[in-house]
Amino acid sequence: NAGVTQTPKFRILKIGQSMTLQCTQDMNHNYMYWYRQDPGMGLKLIYYSVGAGITDKGEVPNGYNVSRSTTEDFPLRLELAAPSQTSVYFCASTLDREVIYEQYFGPGTRLTVT
Amino acid sequence: EDQVTQSPEALRLQEGESSSLNCSYTVSGLRGLFWYRQDPGKGPEFLFTLYSAGEEKEKERLKATLTKKESFLHITAPKPEDSATYLCAVQIRSNDYKLSFGAGTTVTVRA
Repeated sequence: NAGVTQTPKFRILKIGQSMTLQCTQDMNHNYMYWYRQDPGMGLKLIYYSVGAGITDKGEVPNGYNVSRSTTEDFPLRLELAAPSQTSVYFCASTLDREVIYEQYFGPGTRLTVT
Repeated sequence: EDQVTQSPEALRLQEGESSSLNCSYTVSGLRGLFWYRQDPGKGPEFLFTLYSAGEEKEKERLKATLTKKESFLHITAPKPEDSATYLCAVQIRSNDYKLSFGAGTTVTVRA
C-alpha cells in the first residue's frame, strides 16, 4: 500500500506557464482533496472531490482546475501560473465521512513560480 | 466566521521538559477536532480525533484533550524526535466534507 503519492516533488515554473500536479491513492478512498500550504499559514483547501466525476471548489480555487475520472486519481491543473501560486501543495484522501474522518496526506509538491 | 487559532506559534523545550499546545476554535457546531504532526518536507500525519468535550486520547508522550472552546496537546517528557509542527483542524457539522486548519505550533526539543 503506497497510500497517497504525488508527483513531481519539486517544480519551478515561469510566469504564464501551465502544469499538472498528479495525485494518486491506492486505498479506494472516496474523498480526495487538494490543499496549499504557505509559510506561517494553515492548510487552505483548493478543490475537493467526493467521488469519480464529482468535484467542487474549496476556499481558494481561483487559478486552478481539477478533474476526477477515476477513484484513484485527482490531478490539479494550474493555468497561467502566477507568483502568488508559489506554495507547497498537498493531496489528501479519506474513506467516508460517516466513519472516522482522518485524512491521509501525500508528501507534497513544492512549486515556485518566477 | 469559523476560526481555528493555535498558540504558541513556536515552542522550544529541553528534553524532558513537559508542556502544552493550545488550539482554540470558534465554530457553529463541532463534529470533530483533529491533531496532526508534520515533519519538515513531509505531509501531515494523523495523530488523534476528539469528538466531544471531556474526551481524551493518548499516544506515547502525547495526550490530547477537548473542551467546548479549545483543545490541548500535552507533551510529557519530550524527546528530540518529538520535534515537529503540530497542526489542529476542525470538522464542522454544516460543512462536513472539509477540515479547517490552524497555522500550527512548531515544537523544537533540544537534547
